[in-house]
Amino acid sequence: EIVLTQSPGTLSLSPGERATLSCRASQSVSSTYLAWYQQKPGQAPRLLIYGASTRATGIPDRFSGSGSGTDFTLTISRLEPEDSAVYYCQQYGNFKWTFGQGTKVEI
Amino acid sequence: QLQVVESGGGVVQPGRSLTLSCATSGFTFSSYGMHWVRQAPGKGLEWVSIIWYDGTSKYYADSVKGRFTISRDNSKNTLYLQMNSLRVEDTAVYYCARSYEGNFFDPWGQGTLVTVSS
Repeated sequence: EIVLTQSPGTLSLSPGERATLSCRASQSVSSTYLAWYQQKPGQAPRLLIYGASTRATGIPDRFSGSGSGTDFTLTISRLEPEDSAVYYCQQYGNFKWTFGQGTKVEI
Repeated sequence: QLQVVESGGGVVQPGRSLTLSCATSGFTFSSYGMHWVRQAPGKGLEWVSIIWYDGTSKYYADSVKGRFTISRDNSKNTLYLQMNSLRVEDTAVYYCARSYEGNFFDPWGQGTLVTVSS
């Protein structure tokens, strides 16, 4: 089973700053099978990015994804107060779907 | 408007059973695979199970295999999760989610809380 490790655990930044979130896989993951989700307190997760770099419908262009192999990155270019949330990466492989442990972004 | 609404959660004793439901609307339910994902209190997300669009294939996380059964009724646009032999560690919010682009989850329901406690 592929394990996803996210870093840092918590990111404290100011509005307008750039946030860089990392997701590292224990073995190579096809970019096709990598996604990012945002979860705000008391809410369900929301799909942000899929296929490593494709924004889901309605997601602002300040969110971008990149990476390949074992290293993937979610970048929030200009943080806004409503971006405070926990962000999870997720991968699919061999009929198993796994999530990273999450990165909390505080603004 | 896409909608996914879970129900059936509650408090149950260890060893007992519970069945969750997920009612959907706004998309052609019979064309999509469907997942269950859970989140223990204060913890991260854990995938639980998937069922193919036509119900012909089902897969489970090792932690629930042999105890949980996923099913669907395409005539009612509804997904189910039958949970048997419940354990304290099954306590979580259970989310239903549509399989998107084959490998992802979108949209998600609001979740239903299952508490396993004596």
